[in-house]
Amino acid sequence: GENVEQHPSTLSVQEGDSAVIKCTYSDSASNYFPWYKQELGKGPQLIIDIRSNVGEKKDQRIAVTLNKTAKHFSLHITETQPEDSAVYFCAAGTNAGKSTFGDGTTLTVKP
Amino acid sequence: DAGVIQSPRHEVTEMGQEVTLRCKPISGHDYLFWYRQTMMRGLELLIYFNNNVPIDDSGMPEDRFSAKMPNASFSTLKIQPSEPRDSAVYFCASSEINQPQHFGDGTRLSIL
Repeated sequence: GENVEQHPSTLSVQEGDSAVIKCTYSDSASNYFPWYKQELGKGPQLIIDIRSNVGEKKDQRIAVTLNKTAKHFSLHITETQPEDSAVYFCAAGTNAGKSTFGDGTTLTVKP
Repeated sequence: DAGVIQSPRHEVTEMGQEVTLRCKPISGHDYLFWYRQTMMRGLELLIYFNNNVPIDDSGMPEDRFSAKMPNASFSTLKIQPSEPRDSAVYFCASSEINQPQHFGDGTRLSIL
């Protein structure tokens, strides 16, 4: 089955700096790569996603890049703010409907 | 849309008792997923349904766990008998085919 590895497990940055989280996957059939943000006491919420026919996608301060050859994808957050502090999950999915999640990255943005 | 609705939000019960967690998916979504989240094991997929039919239950820990989806708007996850190691946050999520999953806010389960 699919295996998704996510790094780092914790990340601390100063407000205004950039944050990068990286994931690798094993199943070449995976073609859908969402990123979720989980705040305390809440379920994960989608923040951005990318499909295998695209190499990069951007939404304001958030961007995701995908390298299908190397089987890795990354989340980039620029101009970080304290409210970006949360746990971030990457996932890899197929047309079968299910996604395999990484172990999460706890991001702390210091004011 | 109201989003995915889970109940109860918190459940505290004694070991050996039956526990039933409930989920109402977003209307029109074909897929429903049950996850368990713990510090040690992260977010684990337990089972998922497509059009009310269980597709993959390989993540269900053991026979004490069962899940049903009697119709498109309701699903249950049952643990009988419950054990302390079942303590976790259980999430339900739903999605349309090849679209992002929408998660509920979870049920925090504590087995004493």
